[in-house]
Amino acid sequence: AQKVTQAQTEISVVEKEDVTLDCVYETRDTTYYLFWYKQPPSGELVFLIRRNSFDEQNEISGRYSWNFQKSTSSFNFTITASQVVDSAVYFCALSEVESGGYNKLIFGAGTRLAVHP
Amino acid sequence: DVKVTQSSRYLVKRTGEKVFLECVQDMDHENMFWYRQDPGLGLRLIYFSYDVKMKEKGDIPEGYSVSREKKERFSLILESASTNQTSMYLCASSLVTSGGANEQYFGPGTRLTVT
Repeated sequence: AQKVTQAQTEISVVEKEDVTLDCVYETRDTTYYLFWYKQPPSGELVFLIRRNSFDEQNEISGRYSWNFQKSTSSFNFTITASQVVDSAVYFCALSEVESGGYNKLIFGAGTRLAVHP
Repeated sequence: DVKVTQSSRYLVKRTGEKVFLECVQDMDHENMFWYRQDPGLGLRLIYFSYDVKMKEKGDIPEGYSVSREKKERFSLILESASTNQTSMYLCASSLVTSGGANEQYFGPGTRLTVT
């Protein structure tokens, strides 16, 4: 069965620290997609990244970077030089491809990140 | 700009009431989804729809129903609200891509309290 585990419930850091949010997933499929979303205090989930199971290249976008390792079934997210605006709940999600073209997301429980000035 | 809107940000209802949560997207997306978000549980899928008048049960459909009469609108219905349905409800939409998995776009959520 599909499952996403975000073992870190809450993380608290001081501004400018680097922080890594862990995500471990389980799936029996060979083709799947992984996502990260950010949920700021306003409540609306914001899409950050999608990665398919055949692309293990790490990705960097500004202060954000993602490390995908199929060998350990992990898709970790690192924020470099964290800022107060990074304070949010972050969700990792897994999707298997459905034949009908729709995709259901299985979410982890989320990690609440608090960045203090 | 991509937009998913939900009819209410906060809603308070009494036990036994029929509750309608409305979601509208302006992106011409085929897929629409309803989730509930509870602390420590993440988001759980209630129902989804991949076309007008089509619907599929998600992981926790009990106590809920849905309606999709128009492509842009997806309604979640609580037939007889109960206190254990107090939660944050999130609507999302996405494009259809054969063999792919597109990102879902989310609305701001409706925090429902059933007393």
